[in-house]
Amino acid sequence: QKEVEQNSGPLSVPEGAIASLNCTYSDRGSQSFFWYRQYSGKSPELIMSIYSNGDKEDGRFTAQLNKASQYVSLLIRDSQPSDSATYLCAVEGGYNKLIFGAGTRLAVHP
Amino acid sequence: GAVVSQHPSRVICKSGTSVKIECRSLDFQATTMFWYRQFPKQSLMLMATSNEGSKATYEQGVEKDKFLINHASLTLSTLTVTSAHPEDSSFYICSARGPSGGPGEQFFGPGTRLTVL
Repeated sequence: QKEVEQNSGPLSVPEGAIASLNCTYSDRGSQSFFWYRQYSGKSPELIMSIYSNGDKEDGRFTAQLNKASQYVSLLIRDSQPSDSATYLCAVEGGYNKLIFGAGTRLAVHP
Repeated sequence: GAVVSQHPSRVICKSGTSVKIECRSLDFQATTMFWYRQFPKQSLMLMATSNEGSKATYEQGVEKDKFLINHASLTLSTLTVTSAHPEDSSFYICSARGPSGGPGEQFFGPGTRLTVL
């Protein structure tokens, strides 16, 4: 069974700090990885996709992928209260299906 | 681009009735759409993959006779919850492959919150 693991949190960081969110996955053959943000009562919103080992930056967000360690992370720089949400890690599990982790709840406090 | 809509956003119904939820890709054609269910404080669980012009593929444990999926056009997929019961109360979310996204990339509709009394 393909699995995606995340720490449920909550991860609490002060405003302006770097938030680090981590995810591990079980299928060594996975090639596509995604981070979604989900506010309470809303549907997920795609933040980042990453397909190659290394870092990918987009604004305040940086996704990091290490396929050898089966590990993907998301860094949020200069965290803002508006970043408070649940962050879902998703891995493509074949046939374009996504396997989601349980999500990490992030709380950014002023 | 890659906007997905859902209707209705919220529905309350009596036990035993059927409810239809529509999922539309507004600015692109989606040959494949996905239906998820999310219970409170849990992650998204894939229910089925909806392919235009063919039968949906259901995940293990999902009753295909209870959750009817129709993907009649490249921009519309519908999920009908038949004979709904209180345990079907959940947040139902559809997604679609974007027009130029990478492998596996999906864009989500706003979701439909179903409450069965």
